[in-house]
Amino acid sequence: AQSVTQLGSHVSVSEGALVLLRCNYSSSVPPYLFWYVQYPNQGLQLLLKYTSAATLVKGINGFEAEFKKSETSFHLTKPSAHMSDAAEYFCAVSKKSSASKIIFGSGTRLSIRP
Amino acid sequence: GAGVSQSPSNKVTEKGKDVELRCDPISGHTALYWYRQSLGQGLEFLIYFQGNSAPDKSGLPSDRFSAERTGGSVSTLTIQRTQQEDSAVYLCASSSTSGGAIDTQYFGPGTRLTVL
Repeated sequence: AQSVTQLGSHVSVSEGALVLLRCNYSSSVPPYLFWYVQYPNQGLQLLLKYTSAATLVKGINGFEAEFKKSETSFHLTKPSAHMSDAAEYFCAVSKKSSASKIIFGSGTRLSIRP
Repeated sequence: GAGVSQSPSNKVTEKGKDVELRCDPISGHTALYWYRQSLGQGLEFLIYFQGNSAPDKSGLPSDRFSAERTGGSVSTLTIQRTQQEDSAVYLCASSSTSGGAIDTQYFGPGTRLTVL
C-alpha cells in the first residue's frame, strides 16, 4: 500500500525566507510523486511531479522538490517566499505502473508573514 | 470547455435526502476521478473512470455512494440518504492518458456539501 505523510499541518514563514514543506512517502514499488497547490477558493493545480527522470524536479512559481530514495522523502522548497505563495499544499503518491489512484497527504497550510 | 467544471458549487441538504453532484471534465480527457476533501483532511479517493473500462470503485465509503459516467464524458456522483459525516468538498478531476503513463490531473473547483 502507498501513503504519504506531510509533517506539519501549518507552516508559517516570513516573506523572503526559505519555504520547506516536508513529505515522506511509503511505497512498495517505485513511485510517482506529486505536489499540488490549492489557493484560497480555487481548485487544486499541479506544482510539479517526479516520474523517475531527474531526482530534482522544478515546478511552477519557483518551487522545486528533490526525490531522495534513501530518506523516502520528497520535500518541497522555494528559496524566497512571496505573499502569493500562501495556500494549502498537498503531497501525493501513485504507482508507476498505473494511472489510476493518486493518494494524497493531509496537506500543509503555508502562511506568509509580511 | 477550458477546464473541469462542477455543479452545484454549494449544496445544503437535510439528513436522509439524496443528492447528485455533477462533473464536466475537460473535453477529450478519458480519465475522470472523484475525491472527497473533509475539513482538515487530505483528499480521499472515491472512484476512477477510464474510458470504457469498469470503474475503480474501491474508495467509495459505503453503498450509499455511487457514480456513473455517461457517454464517456459527464459524471454524476450520487449520495443516497445523506448523513452529517458526508459533509465535505467533493472534487472532480480529469486527465488524458498516454500508454499508461501518469498524466496530470486537472481539478474542478469542487462542490461543498453540507448535510444538516
